[in-house]
Amino acid sequence: AQSVTQLDSQVPVFEEAPVELRCNYSSSVSVYLFWYVQYPNQGLQLLLKYLSGSTLVESINGFEAEFNKSQTSFHLRKPSVHISDTAEYFCAVTEAMNTGFQKLVFGTGTRLLVSP
Amino acid sequence: DAGITQSPRHKVTETGTPVTLRCHQTENHRYMYWYRQDPGHGLRLIHYSYGVKDTDKGEVSDGYSVSRSKTEDFLLTLESATSSQTSVYFCAISDQTSGHYNEQFFGPGTRLTVL
Repeated sequence: AQSVTQLDSQVPVFEEAPVELRCNYSSSVSVYLFWYVQYPNQGLQLLLKYLSGSTLVESINGFEAEFNKSQTSFHLRKPSVHISDTAEYFCAVTEAMNTGFQKLVFGTGTRLLVSP
Repeated sequence: DAGITQSPRHKVTETGTPVTLRCHQTENHRYMYWYRQDPGHGLRLIHYSYGVKDTDKGEVSDGYSVSRSKTEDFLLTLESATSSQTSVYFCAISDQTSGHYNEQFFGPGTRLTVL
């Protein structure tokens, strides 16, 4: 079974500052890792994913995450945040190589609050 | 955006009443999921379906039942709602393509309040 820990429930940051949202996972098998974003009163959208290959993955809006197998981490970073990045961010994990039913296990979420 | 709708979007009901939430997809995806989202818990899987009339339990299935009579519709029923079922409910879908990871797409959610 997999589990995910998001160490920060809330991260306040000023606009244009860098940010890191932390995610650690636990699994006895190979995993796929994800970051989802939830804007206020909306559903979840996939922000980025690690399936295989390069351990550094990027999103189209400037976020990146690095898969670190030795530290079992998948932290999300952005060098300069915008007000529009204010949202809740969920880290999730599933067993790798599963092309059918996916048991996505979610972390408890980190609320990113960007202020001017 | 993936074609997923949920109805109703908001509902207030009283303890002990039955409630049915509907998820409708236009993507013809095989898998459908119901999650609940609660502060401090993230999203937790209630039930999922892997085909018409094929369903199984997730980690928090007590007090919930589901049905899938058509590929496009997945219903979540609370037979007798309790205050502990006050939550935001999300439907998700995913396909099955051999050799590929199939992304889960989420609906807009239903906010349910049980008084």
